[in-house]
Amino acid sequence: EVQLLESGGGLVQPGGSLRLSCVGSGYPFSDYAMHWVRQSPGRGLEWVSAIGVSGTYYADSVKGRFTISRDMSKSTLYLQMDSLRIDDSATYFCARYASGNNAPSDYWGQGTLVTVSS
Amino acid sequence: DIQMTQSPSSLSASVGDRVIITCRASQSVGTYLHWYQQKSGQAPKLLIYFASSLHSGVPSRFSGSGSGTDFTLTISGLQPEDFATYYCQQSYTFRTFGQGTKVELK
Repeated sequence: EVQLLESGGGLVQPGGSLRLSCVGSGYPFSDYAMHWVRQSPGRGLEWVSAIGVSGTYYADSVKGRFTISRDMSKSTLYLQMDSLRIDDSATYFCARYASGNNAPSDYWGQGTLVTVSS
Repeated sequence: DIQMTQSPSSLSASVGDRVIITCRASQSVGTYLHWYQQKSGQAPKLLIYFASSLHSGVPSRFSGSGSGTDFTLTISGLQPEDFATYYCQQSYTFRTFGQGTKVELK
């Protein structure tokens, strides 16, 4: 059974940093591209960042502040979030891209809540 | 960026109703359009991919159609477990979601 489990969320002050983790299991982790999607009440679902064989990609809203990476040996996806802003507050989901180009996200984690507040 | 617009934003329906949700892209996305269902407090779940293909395990009352800029998700015979929020997503360029359509009990 494919499972994705996020961790690392919490309360952080504006300008601070957090690192989110997402552990994948039940499938060959290195064979699939992954991404992060966030959701806040006022902004719906927002794609944040992706990583695959062709490289890493970021939404304009996080470019230069967030860094996506993964450790294949640990089957873990990361999102390093620096210079956090209040509007980065959201539930962050990791998700797997299905096989193939332009694929949908076929499995999602349950999400981890990030709150940026002073 | 490609913008995705869903309509309606919410709707009220009864068990057994046929529900149609539409999604419009700001430019052609071919058939790189997917539909997700999200229940409160849960992650989104893939329903339909590439506009009209049913994801594994999804009931056949869900169907999708369209190409280019206009797409529809149809639920034929709404069931109690279908009350949720539905999102479209394009994968033509990066990923963009629609704002969601909340299906509520009438």
